[in-house]
Amino acid sequence: NAGVTQTPKFQVLKTGQSMTLQCAQDMNHEYMSWYRQDPGMGLRLIHYSVGAGITDQGEVPNGYNVSRSTTEDFPLRLLSAAPSQTSVYFCASSYSRPSATSYEQYFGPGTRLTVT
Amino acid sequence: AQSVTQLGSHVSVSEGALVLLRCNYSSSVPPYLFWYVQYPNQGLQLLLKYTTGATLVKGINGFEAEFKKSETSFHLTKPSAHMSDAAEYFCAVSDRGGGNKLVFGAGTILRVKS
Repeated sequence: NAGVTQTPKFQVLKTGQSMTLQCAQDMNHEYMSWYRQDPGMGLRLIHYSVGAGITDQGEVPNGYNVSRSTTEDFPLRLLSAAPSQTSVYFCASSYSRPSATSYEQYFGPGTRLTVT
Repeated sequence: AQSVTQLGSHVSVSEGALVLLRCNYSSSVPPYLFWYVQYPNQGLQLLLKYTTGATLVKGINGFEAEFKKSETSFHLTKPSAHMSDAAEYFCAVSDRGGGNKLVFGAGTILRVKS
């Protein structure tokens, strides 16, 4: 299993540009989510999905869009990039049904985004 | 809303010394509790979790944590630090009704001196 994969690893954008961060998992997990990591603030939830076709907002959703058309993929779209969106972005996935590994989230390697 | 407090943004220990990283949560209803580790330029890896049952939880790499309801705490310990333990550690919680939505602490960077 590749686990959770994210592309690209690094990206530099100019203010106002748009882009999509890709996330894919091959563990058949129902739950997928996006977090951003900023120094001294830990990780904060942006958006999450409990299954294909179902998404919801997390703590810091403004400026981001998501959709979930398949179980495997959960892309994050930046509509009009701003310097405040400079951050490291992590995708995570997990089972949502009760099991021995309930709520264990598997994280991708991250995308480091700089907006100038 | 849930919140997580990690005391000390940086902790420094000597190799072989006890590691103690502190975590307190705010919920009046005990949540699910997690510790994650992040090595430089990598994603997060689960160290251990508490959901139910025994309050002393053992994880990978010799780490353990104890859930103390009366203190709303979930401190992480390791009896003897190793150089390879140098990393950033995150405590996280999730509500029992929404177990997948994690709320993270700010993180503690552990430095191990030789």
